[in-house]
Amino acid sequence: SQQGEEDPQALSIQEGENATMNCSYKTSINNLQWYRQNSGRGLVHLILIRSNEREKHSGRLRVTLDTSKKSSSLLITASRAADTASYFCATIGVYGNNRLAFGKGNQVVVIP
Amino acid sequence: DGGITQSPKYLFRKEGQNVTLSCEQNLNHDAMYWYRQDPGQGLRLIYYSQIVNDFQKGDIAEGYSVSREKKESFPLTVTSAQKNPTAFYLCASSIGEDEQYFGPGTRLTVT
Repeated sequence: SQQGEEDPQALSIQEGENATMNCSYKTSINNLQWYRQNSGRGLVHLILIRSNEREKHSGRLRVTLDTSKKSSSLLITASRAADTASYFCATIGVYGNNRLAFGKGNQVVVIP
Repeated sequence: DGGITQSPKYLFRKEGQNVTLSCEQNLNHDAMYWYRQDPGQGLRLIYYSQIVNDFQKGDIAEGYSVSREKKESFPLTVTSAQKNPTAFYLCASSIGEDEQYFGPGTRLTVT
C-alpha cells in the first residue's frame, strides 16, 4: 500500500507564526486527508481534499494538493499553543478499498 | 452523543495470553478499522471491515483476529502469536472513503 511521508518531521515555532508541513505519496489517489493527534489520544480529522481539487481552506487551515508532484501541504496560520500536536497525512488510493495509508507524522510544538 | 468508544484505556497482560480490545460506534457507519501505532510512528492497518459479517486483513494482520457480528461492534483479539504486541491500538469508523472517526485508543502493555 502507498505511504504518505511528511516533511519536516519536527517543527517548533512561536505562537502567532505560521506552520507548514509537506506530504508526498507514491501512487494515484482518490483523496488525501490530514489528521491531528494530541499526545496519547485518538486522531481527529482536519480536512479532506479530493484528487480533482487543488486547494481547500478550513478556518486557519489551508491544504494544497499537487497530483502531478504527488504532494500536499498543510498550512496552519497564526498558530496557537493549542495547535501543539502531531499531524498526519493519509491517502486513499484509487484501488484502496477505503483503506487509509498514513505517513509517520509531523510533531509541531507551538511555544507560547 | 454520537461517537466511537474503546475500552479499556490501559491494558496489561502477561506474555502468552490472548487479549480482546473493544470498539463500539453509534454513528451508523458501515466501515470499521483497527490500527496499531508504535512510538513516533504513523498508523498501520491491522484489519478492516466494510460491512457486517465481512472483514479483510490489513498490512500487519499476523497474530491478530477480529469479528464483525454487529454493525456497531468490531472487537480485536491480540493472540499469543503476535510477537510484539505492546503498542497503542486505535479503532476507527467511516462512511465509505470519507473521513474516519477515531476512538480514544487502548494502550496495551504485554510483559
